[in-house]
Amino acid sequence: AQSVAQPEDQVNVAEGNPLTVKCTYSVSGNPYLFWYVQYPNRGLQFLLKYITGDNLVKGSYGFEAEFNKSQTSFHLKKPSALVSDSALYFCAVRDGGGYNKLIFGAGTRLAVHP
Amino acid sequence: GAGVSQSPRYKVTKRGQDVALRCDPISGHVSLYWYRQALGQGPEFLTYFNYEAQQDKSGLPNDRFSAERPEGSISTLTIQRTEQRDSAMYRCASSQGETQYFGPGTRLLVL
Repeated sequence: AQSVAQPEDQVNVAEGNPLTVKCTYSVSGNPYLFWYVQYPNRGLQFLLKYITGDNLVKGSYGFEAEFNKSQTSFHLKKPSALVSDSALYFCAVRDGGGYNKLIFGAGTRLAVHP
Repeated sequence: GAGVSQSPRYKVTKRGQDVALRCDPISGHVSLYWYRQALGQGPEFLTYFNYEAQQDKSGLPNDRFSAERPEGSISTLTIQRTEQRDSAMYRCASSQGETQYFGPGTRLLVL
């Protein structure tokens, strides 16, 4: 069965410092991996995805994520955090074998302090 | 262009009433998905349409829940005889490729 784990409920970072939001996954076939961000009173916004190719993928707002097949991880990173990055972040996985539904993690709240 | 839209944005209903939630996908998107998100949780899959065909309804929790997309565009999620446990955020997404784009959601409160 497919699953996603986000081991941290909350991550606290000082503005200007690098940030990492962790995600590990379990899927039977080749994974399609996604990160979404949710701001208060707004929908889920797509940040980035890994389908195939380079393990380091770059997305919106300066975010990037690294796919690590041996560790079944897809951690979200940003070199320098902004206060405006404070939001709820969701990792999701889809089985690349043709099933379209996304399986989401429980979410990690990122708090960036001035 | 316009994103995914959902209506109503908020719905308060009494237990036992039926509710219909609407999703208008991004124009031209073939695939449409419904998810439900409880407080403090990630979204959970409910059902998926490819054009007008419901390809997967494995996530619908019981037979009070149904969905349709009769013309391959707008979709309606219907919950009959609502119960308090149905209270949640209901999210719709559409896609043309691998990436699903989400609407703002409908927050349902069953009293």
